[in-house]
Amino acid sequence: QAVLTQPSSLSASPGASASLTCTLRSGINVATYNIYWFQQKPGSPPQYLLRYKSDSDKRQGSGVPSRFSGSKDASANAGILLISGLQSEDEADYYCMIWLSSFWVFGGGTKLTVL
Amino acid sequence: QVQLVQSGTEVKKPGASVRVSCKASGYTFTSYDINWVRQATGQGLEWMGWMSPDSGATGYAPKFQGRVTLTRDTSISTAYMELSSLRSDDTAVYYCASNKPRTGDFDSWGQGTLITVSS
Repeated sequence: QAVLTQPSSLSASPGASASLTCTLRSGINVATYNIYWFQQKPGSPPQYLLRYKSDSDKRQGSGVPSRFSGSKDASANAGILLISGLQSEDEADYYCMIWLSSFWVFGGGTKLTVL
Repeated sequence: QVQLVQSGTEVKKPGASVRVSCKASGYTFTSYDINWVRQATGQGLEWMGWMSPDSGATGYAPKFQGRVTLTRDTSISTAYMELSSLRSDDTAVYYCASNKPRTGDFDSWGQGTLITVSS
């Protein structure tokens, strides 16, 4: 079982909100982890979006719009990237990441289509 | 502004080694760690390892332990990633990224270096 599981794809309409999930493997408690999120567009390196641990412990990347936000769903043991007011430019791949003991682990990524 | 500039495309034969450089500018090189991440065509991101330019300390993903070596030359603000015993499945774009120590705030990324392994 992968450490971090992301749905491979998600579609949403312009102006709507999209909730991208990052599910942690059983036995890894989402509550204790910082969840990092990155956006990658074709042909470009990833871009840091934000870090989320709790509402009182989070960090927004420089220049990243506030319509990108993080949260957690403890019942699903998942980190969530919420994108509100979707724009066509938000169409990209999104990756989550955590620090697991002594190394970084990425999720498999979600391809977000805005149509 | 912070900038990471990587060396250019390489084509290597199986079994060979490759070294990729990552030159930093716009900040104090020793104040931020350097991570290396790779991405095969059409695939996701894969973290390889990190290095502290300040102390030279390193850490590697278990998958790459023994095959990747991270070094730096602080006099020219450059980090290096050397991957040995190359295989065809090492064909990928390799990125360097800087972060505040002990965080995953990979705020700045290099442009990527394509390494192709082919006989």
